[in-house]
Amino acid sequence: GQQLNQSPQSMFIQEGEDVSMNCTSSSIFNTWLWYKQDPGEGPVLLIALYKAGELTSNGRLTAQFGITRKDSFLNISASIPSDVGIYFCAGRETSGSRLTFGEGTQLTVNP
Amino acid sequence: DTEVTQTPKHLVMGMTNKKSLKCEQHMGHRAMYWYKQKAKKPPELMFVYSYEKLSINESVPSRFSPECPNSSLLNLHLHALQPEDSALYLCASSPRTTGDTQYFGPGTRLTVL
Repeated sequence: GQQLNQSPQSMFIQEGEDVSMNCTSSSIFNTWLWYKQDPGEGPVLLIALYKAGELTSNGRLTAQFGITRKDSFLNISASIPSDVGIYFCAGRETSGSRLTFGEGTQLTVNP
Repeated sequence: DTEVTQTPKHLVMGMTNKKSLKCEQHMGHRAMYWYKQKAKKPPELMFVYSYEKLSINESVPSRFSPECPNSSLLNLHLHALQPEDSALYLCASSPRTTGDTQYFGPGTRLTVL
């Protein structure tokens, strides 16, 4: 089935630094979603993107739907300790009704 | 309000037990989902209900039996599980049956002894 390549797998950064992660697919997607998951909790939807080229912010988070419709990135500015967690991208193909998930980016923020 | 609730939060069961997981949403969403998630891996889709009807079963073993009593509730009945079924079980819902913009519940941590 369809797979998403999410990178990096993990990041270790200092508090205050900016973070960038991305996802790419071999198929065209209609929707890109970014989730954050804390240990033992369910994924929380951070940003949803529905249109190629769309750039959306949610506080310190910014995500973009790639113009080719095959990629998306998430930026976090001025990271803080509570940004720690696993970030998943997810997308829905044009003809599909399922979400495909990336493998996740584990973010560690050192105070 | 984008809240999906799940009970119980934790469940420990033996391989001969029968138990059920419950999920509820009051957002008027048309589709509801069950996922299984192992540690540090992405969620894996198990079942999809669209307008209260089962629309997708991802070849899940019959020891997992979903039920959708009404548009707000989703159950997952468990019977004769194996230790490898231990995982975080997530429920999600979405406004449309197209499968995008899914909102997840907090999950049930299941341990099978």
